Amino acid sequence: SAVISQKPSRDICQRGTSLTIQCQVDSQVTMMFWYRQQPGQSLTLIATANQGSEATYESGFVIDKFPISRPNLTFSTLTVSNMSPEDSSIYLCSVPRTGGGNEQFFGPGTRLTVL
Amino acid sequence: AQSVTQPDIHITVSEGASLELRCNYSYGATPYLFWYVQSPGQGLQLLLKYFSGDTLVQGIKGFEAEFKRSQSSFNLRKPSVHWSDAAEYFCAVGANDYKLSFGAGTTVTVRA
Repeated sequence: SAVISQKPSRDICQRGTSLTIQCQVDSQVTMMFWYRQQPGQSLTLIATANQGSEATYESGFVIDKFPISRPNLTFSTLTVSNMSPEDSSIYLCSVPRTGGGNEQFFGPGTRLTVL
Repeated sequence: AQSVTQPDIHITVSEGASLELRCNYSYGATPYLFWYVQSPGQGLQLLLKYFSGDTLVQGIKGFEAEFKRSQSSFNLRKPSVHWSDAAEYFCAVGANDYKLSFGAGTTVTVRA
């Protein structure tokens, strides 16, 4: 299984500011995913981050609000821009298991609170 | 598009009793099905998965799940619950693109 770390683990931010979340994987992976888990809710896929190309966003998520970088095969960042209290969530990155099987391994998450 | 329904928002079970969590999915082809567990303050941990073959799959921590195509279900079971099983449980369905759609989750409370 992949070992995934995220930074920061949690943060409290002011309305109107931006926060960049980092995701580091201990092995090279082609695809990385970013999910959001709003308080008391399930996980929703934000976007797919592929190395060397633009991220692909799901319906309801836009690049201006959630810009993503994928500079290499082990690292990705998600920025939450111009934050509002509605952005308070846990943000998780995930990677598929290498060798197929379609299962995902998840990072520990970043708990974001926007005041 | 795939989707998942977990009908039970919250289940309370006594320690030592059996547990069953329901999951219904919607997907046009044979799905990839998963159960994840999220303990308080913890990340998501994969309990078990179904891709093909035997419809009864065994997972970690004594959990098992049964895939029933006729009912579009993938229910999770455990014969005897431990206090440490108190957590949030998510059923998820995936396709060949690795994207997962999650159910709303079921919170399990274990009483002594």
